[in-house]
Amino acid sequence: SAVISQKPSRDICQRGTSLTIQCQVDSQVTMMFWYRQQPGQSLTLIATANQGSEATYESGFVIDKFPISRPNLTFSTLTVSNMSPEDSSIYLCSAGTGTNYGYTFGSGTRLTVV
Amino acid sequence: AQSVTQLDSHVSVSEGTPVLLRCNYSSSYSPSLFWYVQHPNKGLQLLLKYTSAATLVKGINGFEAEFKKSETSFHLTKPSAHMSDAAEYFCVVIPMNTGFQKLVFGTGTRLLVSP
Repeated sequence: SAVISQKPSRDICQRGTSLTIQCQVDSQVTMMFWYRQQPGQSLTLIATANQGSEATYESGFVIDKFPISRPNLTFSTLTVSNMSPEDSSIYLCSAGTGTNYGYTFGSGTRLTVV
Repeated sequence: AQSVTQLDSHVSVSEGTPVLLRCNYSSSYSPSLFWYVQHPNKGLQLLLKYTSAATLVKGINGFEAEFKKSETSFHLTKPSAHMSDAAEYFCVVIPMNTGFQKLVFGTGTRLLVSP
């Protein structure tokens, strides 16, 4: 299965600023996803990162707040824009080539907004 | 809507005793089901997956799960718990009617293992 390198692993940011999170996969993958895990909660899908086109966002998430890029089949970024303390969460990327192979997760980015 | 329900938010066992983490799914279609584990301050690791092959699925670290369509269940078991099994466990479904194969996560079960 694919191996994902996600960075930064953690950051403390001032409110009103933006943070870009990167995920690099060691092989080409069909699907890449971005999730948010709020403290003590399960994972919520933010969006599906589509290669060469605009990401597909889930209800409650918008492109202006969480712009996503996926320039090729091995790399994606998520930006958390105009941050507020409510954005403090763990953000994880996931990648895979289909249900028969499962999906691999990055180690997560622990974001604290002060 | 397709979903999974993890019936216990916390499960406590003693080291060496069996582990049972319960998961029920709701899906109008034949789903793919997964169990993931998340150790503190770590990412998620795939334990095992069911994708319409054998109904008894064996995973890593001695875990296994059985897909029971009649009960819409996919419970995770292990014969003997180790201290290192203490973690958060997520049951995950991919409803097969979704074109993007999105993962739907359960709320998680925290496994506590005492000496």
